Amino acid sequence: DGGITQSPKYLFRKEGQNVTLSCEQNLNHDAMYWYRQDPGQGLRLIYYSQIVNDFQKGDIAEGYSVSREKKESFPLTVTSAQKNPTAFYLCASSIGGTLKTYEQYFGPGTRLTVT
Amino acid sequence: AQSVTQPDIHITVSEGASLELRCNYSYGATPYLFWYVQSPGQGLQLLLKYFSGDTLVQGIKGFEAEFKRSQSSFNLRKPSVHWSDAAEYFCAVGAKYNQGGKLIFGQGTELSVKP
Repeated sequence: DGGITQSPKYLFRKEGQNVTLSCEQNLNHDAMYWYRQDPGQGLRLIYYSQIVNDFQKGDIAEGYSVSREKKESFPLTVTSAQKNPTAFYLCASSIGGTLKTYEQYFGPGTRLTVT
Repeated sequence: AQSVTQPDIHITVSEGASLELRCNYSYGATPYLFWYVQSPGQGLQLLLKYFSGDTLVQGIKGFEAEFKRSQSSFNLRKPSVHWSDAAEYFCAVGAKYNQGGKLIFGQGTELSVKP
């Protein structure tokens, strides 16, 4: 079955620690995205990548970092510089390409709680 | 500025009643439009999309949406709601070209279904 996996589903960390969220897809999609979801605020784009070894900042990139070393993987690191990291994080992918927009497919999400 | 507005934060309908969820967008370029559904604690599932052509599009689970360019709207409809339709619904818009495939999401509309 093709799809997007995110692990773990729940993650707990102490303040001041960096944490990495996993996102893997076997859809052979070029583009991948990370969103943050907070109650009543919809989805906000953190980072996106249209192709391996390349990524761009989204609207709320401060305090986050990503890498795209493989087509199927796009891990997100929440650093200690992120002021309010507790949220629900969603990874998505699309056929992508540099020019055209396509529908995005989403993973099940990771709920991160930092105390 | 590009934006998506879902005017209704929360809607309650009776099972078997019809449903219309509103979505208005502000977008300078030719818009690509999407509706997604999210169950609590889950990822987003694509219901339907509009790229071009017939302005009435059919989606999964019996949903449809109509693109009205003159009103900058893309409202989602279902003739008869089932209890399993209770969820949060997101409208999203993207540019046809040259935006890295990024989507802008509305704040979401939470749907409750009364028995």
